[in-house]
Amino acid sequence: DAGVIQSPRHEVTEMGQEVTLRCKPISGHDYLFWYRQTMMRGLELLIYFNNNVPIDDSGMPEDRFSAKMPNASFSTLKIQPSEPRDSAVYFCASSLRNTGELFFGEGSRLTVL
Amino acid sequence: AQKITQTQPGMFVQEKEAVTLDCTYDTSDPSYGLFWYKQPSSGEMIFLIYQGSYDQQNATEGRYSLNFQKARKSANLVISASQLGDSAMYFCAMREAMFSGGYNKLIFGAGTRLAVHP
Repeated sequence: DAGVIQSPRHEVTEMGQEVTLRCKPISGHDYLFWYRQTMMRGLELLIYFNNNVPIDDSGMPEDRFSAKMPNASFSTLKIQPSEPRDSAVYFCASSLRNTGELFFGEGSRLTVL
Repeated sequence: AQKITQTQPGMFVQEKEAVTLDCTYDTSDPSYGLFWYKQPSSGEMIFLIYQGSYDQQNATEGRYSLNFQKARKSANLVISASQLGDSAMYFCAMREAMFSGGYNKLIFGAGTRLAVHP
């Protein structure tokens, strides 16, 4: 079975550019999470969805960040405009209702120059 | 206040020995879940073990066991017979139930870096 699929795996961009990260959750999972990992702040929850509906976006750092889940098999995290401090690894994860663990994608490593 | 505290930034262990990674948590929710994840240098997050707050017995998964002490709010990970491949970052995480408005989001600790020496 395919796991959580993220793209791109690596992205290098210049400050001010728009960045779009993509995620395909595991089929049948009804929760989707976006996390950001940095050395300074560790793993931070940015936003999560339940049945495609955003439930909690209190972790989104600022208005430059936005996330959407137009259907059960696809989500995007967009940063516009990007800044060097956005450089991090962005993880997408999905889970099935209240049961057990989150399944993580391999992450998207973003570098903003 | 920190929800999940991992006080050991780094740990060393000799191959084949057991090691305990500490985790304490803070919640007023009666229903919660505790998780441990492993992150090797390649970066992926690998689920290791889960303990529910109402589980009577400590969880075990192969060489991994969770020393759950509810009254002390601790959920330490024990790795028996360490292997070189166990060298990685280890994260403790908690998922609160809906009573506190957690809605199943997973909150992670800062992690402990484990190095296994031959």
